[in-house]
Amino acid sequence: KNEVEQSPQNLTAQEGEFITINCSYSVGISALHWLQQHPGGGIVSLFMLSSGKKKHGRLIATINIQEKHSSLHITASHPRDSAVYICAGANFGNEKLTFGTGTRLTIIP
Amino acid sequence: KAGVTQTPRYLIKTRGQQVTLSCSPISGHRSVSWYQQTPGQGLQFLFEYFSETQRNKGNFPGRFSGRQFSNSRSEMNVSTLELGDSALYLCASSLDRGAEYGYTFGSGTRLTVV
Repeated sequence: KNEVEQSPQNLTAQEGEFITINCSYSVGISALHWLQQHPGGGIVSLFMLSSGKKKHGRLIATINIQEKHSSLHITASHPRDSAVYICAGANFGNEKLTFGTGTRLTIIP
Repeated sequence: KAGVTQTPRYLIKTRGQQVTLSCSPISGHRSVSWYQQTPGQGLQFLFEYFSETQRNKGNFPGRFSGRQFSNSRSEMNVSTLELGDSALYLCASSLDRGAEYGYTFGSGTRLTVV
């Protein structure tokens, strides 16, 4: 059983919509990373969270430690936000990132 | 500053051959970790090196190996290639423990085994 579960698998939305991607993780994970992968493969690290909330431009990431749940929000979505978004769990005791299956986001103009 | 550089970007090899991939981390980063991404299995952790020592290892067969040099550059090697080794191989560098300091990823090497 994967220690990181992500939903939805695919998400299509109109430009301007508010987007939410969810990630649930198991015991033993002490930090959650949100990653963005564009066609071509390169990965960009968006956020690293162990508590609370972080914001960068139109992107917001939250984490609830008690519920072991994290969300990535995109406000005023734009076609350039189209990508695969991946959450990954990390344990401060080791470096074995455990990845969710990814959410393929498509923003239609 | 320069990002994480992976070479080559694309590679085609024949079954049974071996391959070496290279990863140059961001200057000052001492940790390099490697990942395999396939359509079926998604992203999976291969191993992590810190100060020339393998610090963590994923669940891959011994055909997959790596090393890190004194300048923190890392190589991974896959021997006796199988068709199933076709994948995007990504490396990421970090100051120390990526779980605490965060990771910077390279653009990947796309390996095709025929």
